Amino acid sequence: GENVEQHPSTLSVQEGDSAVIKCTYSDSASNYFPWYKQELGKRPQLIIDIRSNVGEKKDQRIAVTLNKTAKHFSLHITETQPEDSAVYFCAASRATGRRALTFGSGTRLQVQP
Amino acid sequence: EAQVTQNPRYLITVTGKKLTVTCSQNMNHEYMSWYRQDPGLGLRQIYYSMNVEVTDKGDVPEGYKVSRKEKRNFPLILESPSPNQTSLYFCASRRDINYGYTFGSGTRLTVV
Repeated sequence: GENVEQHPSTLSVQEGDSAVIKCTYSDSASNYFPWYKQELGKRPQLIIDIRSNVGEKKDQRIAVTLNKTAKHFSLHITETQPEDSAVYFCAASRATGRRALTFGSGTRLQVQP
Repeated sequence: EAQVTQNPRYLITVTGKKLTVTCSQNMNHEYMSWYRQDPGLGLRQIYYSMNVEVTDKGDVPEGYKVSRKEKRNFPLILESPSPNQTSLYFCASRRDINYGYTFGSGTRLTVV
C-alpha cells in the first residue's frame, strides 16, 4: 500500500518567516494530495489540496507544489503568523484500486511572536 | 449545516465489552472512513467505504468492524475492546476520490 513520509516532525519559525513542510509518497498511481491543519484539541481541517494534473496551487499565504517524477510534494506558508501554529498533515490517495487516503505522521509548526 | 457527527465524544469502557461509535454525515457523500490518532503515529486509517455495502480495510483494521447499510451512517464496532485500542477516533466523509475528507469532532476512547 501507499507510504507517506513527512519532514520535519517539528518546525519552529519566527513570525513573518516562511515555513516549508515536505512529503514523499511511494505509490506512483497516487493522484490526489491534500494538506490538513489540526489545532490543539480540534479535528483536522483541509487547508489546500492538489491533483496530479497540476504542479502548483496557491491560496493566499499557502501554496503546495507537486513533483510527480520525484514523488514528493510540499506545503509552503509565507508570512507566518502565531495562528498558523498547529500540526500539519499531508496525505495521498489514488483514484483506482485501493482508494485509502494515507496520511503522513505530521509536522508540529510553532510560530514564535 | 454540513457536518459529520460522531458519538459519543468521550467513552471509558472495560476490556471485552462490545461498543459502537456512531457516525453520520448530512452531505450525501459517497466515501466515509474511520481513522485513529495516536501520539507520534499521525492518523491511521482503520476502514473506509466507497458506497453503501462497499467497505475496505485501511492500514489498521484488526479488532474493528464497520458496516454501511445506509449512505449517511458508518458505525465503528469494537467487538472485544482491548487497552491497545485506547485512542482518539475520527470519522470522516468526502464527496468522491478527488476531494478531501471532512472530519467529525472525534471520540476519545479509553479501554481499561
